[in-house]
Amino acid sequence: EAGVVQSPRYKIIEKKQPVAFWCNPISGHNTLYWYRQNLGQGPELLIRYENEEAVDDSQLPKDRFSAERLKGVDSTLKIQPAELGDSAVYLCASRPRTGLGNEQFFGPGTRLTVL
Amino acid sequence: AQKVTQAQTEISVVEKEDVTLDCVYETRDTTYYLFWYKQPPSGELVFLIRRNSFDEQNEISGRYSWNFQKSTSSFNFTITASQVVDSAVYFCALSELGGGSEKLVFGKGTKLTVNP
Repeated sequence: EAGVVQSPRYKIIEKKQPVAFWCNPISGHNTLYWYRQNLGQGPELLIRYENEEAVDDSQLPKDRFSAERLKGVDSTLKIQPAELGDSAVYLCASRPRTGLGNEQFFGPGTRLTVL
Repeated sequence: AQKVTQAQTEISVVEKEDVTLDCVYETRDTTYYLFWYKQPPSGELVFLIRRNSFDEQNEISGRYSWNFQKSTSSFNFTITASQVVDSAVYFCALSELGGGSEKLVFGKGTKLTVNP
């Protein structure tokens, strides 16, 4: 079974430029997460989707961040414009269904460097 | 508010030593789950174990064991006879249902280096 796929793996941009990350979850997984992991820290949730609905985006900085999950499968996270402080690893995770305690399966992440 | 504390930032051991990674959590819920994930240099978080708040039985899986104690709000992870391949960052995480929305909160991680 294929795991969570993310692309690109690395991205270097200059500040004020836009950037987008793509995630393809494990087939059949209804729940999809985007996390941001700063250096030396644990992942922090940005947004959670149940199918195509964003059910928790309270941590998403909506002035510059946006996300979508059309058709309830793939998802894209966008930053526009990027700031120096956005440099981090952006992780996508998925799990098969809603329910407290189900483990999440993580992708390899996209390492973003903003110069 | 929920919180996970991993007080050990970095640990370095020599191969075959036993090592324990500490995790202390805070939550007001009575129903919650605790997790351990491993993050090797490749970056992908790998699920290791899940434990629910009603099950305080310790668990052993090969060289890995976990000690869950509600009385001290701790969920510690021990690697017996460590190996170089165990080198990674290990994260403890807490999941609870708050306000109808499940949240997974991670600690800051413990970087384990196993030297040959």
